[in-house]
Formats: sequence, C-alpha cells, structure tokens
Amino acid sequence: GAGVSQSPRYKVAKRGQDVALRCDPISGHVSLFWYQQALGQGPEFLTYFQNEAQLDKSGLPSDRFFAERPEGSVSTLKIQRTQQEDSAVYLCASSLSRYEQYFGPGTRLTVT
Amino acid sequence: TQLLEQSPQFLSIQEGENLTVYCNSSSVFSSLQWYRQEPGEGPVLLVTVVTGGEVKKLKRLTFQFGDARKDSSLHITAAQPGDTGLYLCAGASSNSGYALNFGKGTSLLVTP
Repeated sequence: GAGVSQSPRYKVAKRGQDVALRCDPISGHVSLFWYQQALGQGPEFLTYFQNEAQLDKSGLPSDRFFAERPEGSVSTLKIQRTQQEDSAVYLCASSLSRYEQYFGPGTRLTVT
Repeated sequence: TQLLEQSPQFLSIQEGENLTVYCNSSSVFSSLQWYRQEPGEGPVLLVTVVTGGEVKKLKRLTFQFGDARKDSSLHITAAQPGDTGLYLCAGASSNSGYALNFGKGTSLLVTP
C-alpha cells in the first residue's frame, strides 16, 4: 500500500517568508509525528497528533512553528517568518502502534 | 538533546566484512528501533526490540537489546554495497511519551 507522502519535497524560502509543509499519513494510522533533522544529526521530535488532537508539542522550537491535523488525516506544519536556523529536513511519520513509526521522504527546507 | 549515543559515527569497510554498531544511553527505554536512512529519503524501520536481552535476526542483520534496556547493537554479517546508509537507533521512554529519541547515526559505506 501507499506509504507516507510529503510535499513539497524541496522548498526554498527567503528569510521572513511563511512556509507550509504537508504530510499525508498511511491510511488508518491514527498517530502522526513531525520531526526536524539538521544536517549530520538524527531526527528531533517536534510534535505528535492522535487523530485530530495535538497531544504533545513540546518539541516545537518557537511560537513561529504551528502544526494542525483538522480532520485526523492530512497534517500541515507551518513555519512563520522563517529564519536561517530553520533550514533542515522536516520528516513526518505515522503509526498504528506506539513502537513503530513509518516515515515519509521528508521536505528539505532551505532558508536564504 | 540526544539521549542515545551511537558509535562509530563513520565506518568504511569492504564487501564481505562483518561489523557491529552500538547504541548506548544512560536512560531506560521501553522499546528501541533501528532505522536505515539513505540520502534524500526518510528513515526506514528495520526492527523493534522491546524485551531486555532480546535478539532479533533479519537476514544478515542481528539486533540485540541490552538486559537493562539501555543499549543495543546491530551486527551485519558479510556486508554488501546495498547495506550502505545511515543507521539510526531510536528509543521510546516513559518520559518521552510517544516521541522517539534518535541517536546521531552511524554512516556506513560498503565498497565492492
């Protein structure tokens, strides 16, 4: 079946612009996660949804970062007033169980 | 903050050699996953271990979870060029909820 898909795959933004990154999880997966992966690092947790409820947003680095999943399926990660330090790969993962998360290909964001 | 330390960071070997990579922490994890990530792609789940002392085999890959559930190892027998990639360990703990804590990864290059 189809895996997790993310769009766009690449995004270049000028500093100060807003961006929106989309994630389509595996059908039927109630849990959805966003991670940020800087170059040469492992992914770092940003936020977690169970259905439409955002149960954990402790990893969001600032109030410029906002995530939503209004109908419990597709999720959008929005970054306002992008800064150079926001440049990273943003990974989305979905899961049926607590233990196993399935990742999408990521969106590489470059802020110039 | 990455709670999991992976070693070595980089490993370059020839086809046919055996290798072991390590994932260590001072924290106890309820489960630990190993992922492989190729350039431009998201991490792909290889295995989940949940019981202290557990050993799982996946073809030429052998995964072990430490008795105290603080560490894990991945052993590859007779490495092949197709094994090349970034190997990431990730753990879930009672403190992290559903979020995974990732190590920085071990970058493996297998040359013919």
